[in-house]
Amino acid sequence: GAVVSQHPSWVICKSGTSVKIECRSLDFQATTMFWYRQFPKQSLMLMATSNEGSKATYEQGVEKDKFLINHASLTLSTLTVTSAHPEDSSFYICSAEVLAGGTYEQYFGPGTRLTVT
Amino acid sequence: AQKITQTQPGMFVQEKEAVTLDCTYDTSDPSYGLFWYKQPSSGEMIFLIYQGSYDQQNATEGRYSLNFQKARKSANLVISASQLGDSAMYFCAMRGQGAQKLVFGQGTRLTINP
Repeated sequence: GAVVSQHPSWVICKSGTSVKIECRSLDFQATTMFWYRQFPKQSLMLMATSNEGSKATYEQGVEKDKFLINHASLTLSTLTVTSAHPEDSSFYICSAEVLAGGTYEQYFGPGTRLTVT
Repeated sequence: AQKITQTQPGMFVQEKEAVTLDCTYDTSDPSYGLFWYKQPSSGEMIFLIYQGSYDQQNATEGRYSLNFQKARKSANLVISASQLGDSAMYFCAMRGQGAQKLVFGQGTRLTINP
C-alpha cells in the first residue's frame, strides 16, 4: 500500500516551453501532497505544500507563477514548470501524506528528472 | 524553526558489519517526529523508520533501529548486518508539532564494500 507514482519519470524540453509533471497516489487518498526539488548531491528542498481543493502554499523564494501547482482531486497533484530555463533542470519529487499508525507519514514518488536545453 | 544536521557526508562499511548514521536536530517544539529515508541511485525516497518524541522505546524495523537520545537531540540510524543493497543516500528528517512539512538533513552517502 501507499504507492505514489509520478509521470513522466524523465523529460527533456527546450528553453521557453512548459512542462507538466503529475503525481498520483495509487491506493489511497491524499488530502495533502508536497513538491520537492533536488539538485545533484544535495538534499530535498520543499517547494510547496498542496492541499486538495485549495491554493498551494509556496516556500519562501519559490516563484508561484513559474511553478504552478494544481491539486484537483484527492489522488492527483500536478506541477507545471512554465517557461522553463536551463536553471530549472533538476530532480522533482512529490510526496503524499497518509495517516498510518497514528501518525502522518509521507510516501514519495519515484521522481521526475527534468532537463531543459 | 527546525534544523537537521547530518555530519557524515560519506561512510564506507564492510558488508555484514553494523553501521551508525548520525543525525542531530534542533527544535523548540515539545512534540515532534523524526524520520529516516533511503534514496538509492534511482532516486526514489524509501521510508525506513519513524520515532516520535514521546515514544518511550527506540523504534525498530527489521535491520533498522533508531538510537533516540532526546537529551542530546540525536536520532542516529543503526543498520545491522549491512548488505550491498544498503548502498545509498540516507536522509534524516523532522516534522515539528502541528507542522505538515518535513525538514531534511544534507544526507549521508553510505557505501557497502564486499
